[in-house]
Amino acid sequence: QVQLVESGGGVVQPGRSLRLSCAASGFTFSSYAMHWVRQAPGKGLEWVAVISYDGSKKYYADSVKGRFAISRDNSKNTLYLQMDSLRAEDTAVYYCARDQYHHTTGYWGPCDYWGQGTLVTVSS
Amino acid sequence: EIMMTQSPATLSVSPGERATLSCRASQSVSSNLAWYQQKPGQAPRLLIYGASTRATNIPARFSGSGSGTEFTLTISSLQSEDFAVYYCQQYNNWPPYSFGQGTKLEIK
Repeated sequence: QVQLVESGGGVVQPGRSLRLSCAASGFTFSSYAMHWVRQAPGKGLEWVAVISYDGSKKYYADSVKGRFAISRDNSKNTLYLQMDSLRAEDTAVYYCARDQYHHTTGYWGPCDYWGQGTLVTVSS
Repeated sequence: EIMMTQSPATLSVSPGERATLSCRASQSVSSNLAWYQQKPGQAPRLLIYGASTRATNIPARFSGSGSGTEFTLTISSLQSEDFAVYYCQQYNNWPPYSFGQGTKLEIK
């Protein structure tokens, strides 16, 4: 079965960096685009970034562009989110999620499988 | 950027009754609209994609309709496990893949 397990969250001071990881199993990781979505405490969902199946295309929300970097290692079935220059407003649970569509369809779509999330708290 | 607006913010319905949730896009998203369910402390779960297609293992009491800018999620006969927060998301014009602010479905 599809499993996504995030790690790397924690408490970090404003301006510092953190790298999140998402270990994938139960499907052919290298065939699907992958997303990061976050949720601030008590708030709604906010899409953060997406990366193509092969890592060649990356897209970001304006709120994180230039500060966050999404990447993947298909040999390790792992997705990453490098977060630099962190701000208090980046405090959230970060979810990794699989794009619904196999890359051969040519479509990018909603997220059909989600991890349980990892909490990032930015505070001095 | 496409803005997604959900209404109402909170919906109170009795078990066994029908619930109707709305989602409006600031411009047409065709049928590229998904609905998610999220329970407290859990990750979101995909319910509907393509505006009206149920995701894997989603019960038939969940149905989606609409296209363009107006969409509806209907739960035909509410079960206790359906009380949760529901989000719509467009994936027609991205980035970003914008979400609505959510509708909390609570027990009346």
